Amino acid sequence: DQQVKQNSPSLSVQEGRISILNCDYTNSMFDYFLWYKKYPAEGPTFLISISSIKDKNEDGRFTVFLNKSAKHLSLHIVPSQPGDSAVYFCAASGAIQGGSEKLVFGKGMKLTVNP
Amino acid sequence: EPEVTQTPSHQVTQMGQEVILRCVPISNHLYFYWYRQILGQKVEFLVSFYNNEISEKSEIFDDQFSVERPDGSNFTLKIRSTKLEDSAMYFCASSELAALTETQYFGPGTRLLVL
Repeated sequence: DQQVKQNSPSLSVQEGRISILNCDYTNSMFDYFLWYKKYPAEGPTFLISISSIKDKNEDGRFTVFLNKSAKHLSLHIVPSQPGDSAVYFCAASGAIQGGSEKLVFGKGMKLTVNP
Repeated sequence: EPEVTQTPSHQVTQMGQEVILRCVPISNHLYFYWYRQILGQKVEFLVSFYNNEISEKSEIFDDQFSVERPDGSNFTLKIRSTKLEDSAMYFCASSELAALTETQYFGPGTRLLVL
């Protein structure tokens, strides 16, 4: 039951270029979406979030885009830096509509930024 | 910067033994969560806790699991009789307010190995 899907397990980009990480979801009750970054042996670190009333949220080098009709969101990192190399998780909750604050995670995508 | 802490970082136990995983959420946070990640799989929600009671739990969180906030700072997950399949990384998370779109901040995790 993959309600949140990250279909590409890995991505490799050159330093300075844009990294685009994609995420799809199936549950229309999801209305709050988050991206977390995870290094080995550490917990997920919050990066950026977006609620369903917006289609874009920007924070420094990180921008999240939400396309509700396509049930798709993406994380853009520009410019990419070697320190961005990590596993990125997309997560969703049905906080507002469904009243559930639990996060449903995708499987994660490993980003490698090459110097 | 305030952070969620977890102890121990690693725990090895024999099948059938009880384990208690401990978490200290961020001090002004009111919502608390446990998630787990079995090796190679995605992060899964176990339980959420608010106002000294469970607010939501997943099908994974059966009678072998319990949570408690024994004092004003700690939040614990107890597994009464561990099974081999309980081996996983367990993450505690907390969020600040009752507003359901509050970001959840994760601890570094406890790696549990059941032999």
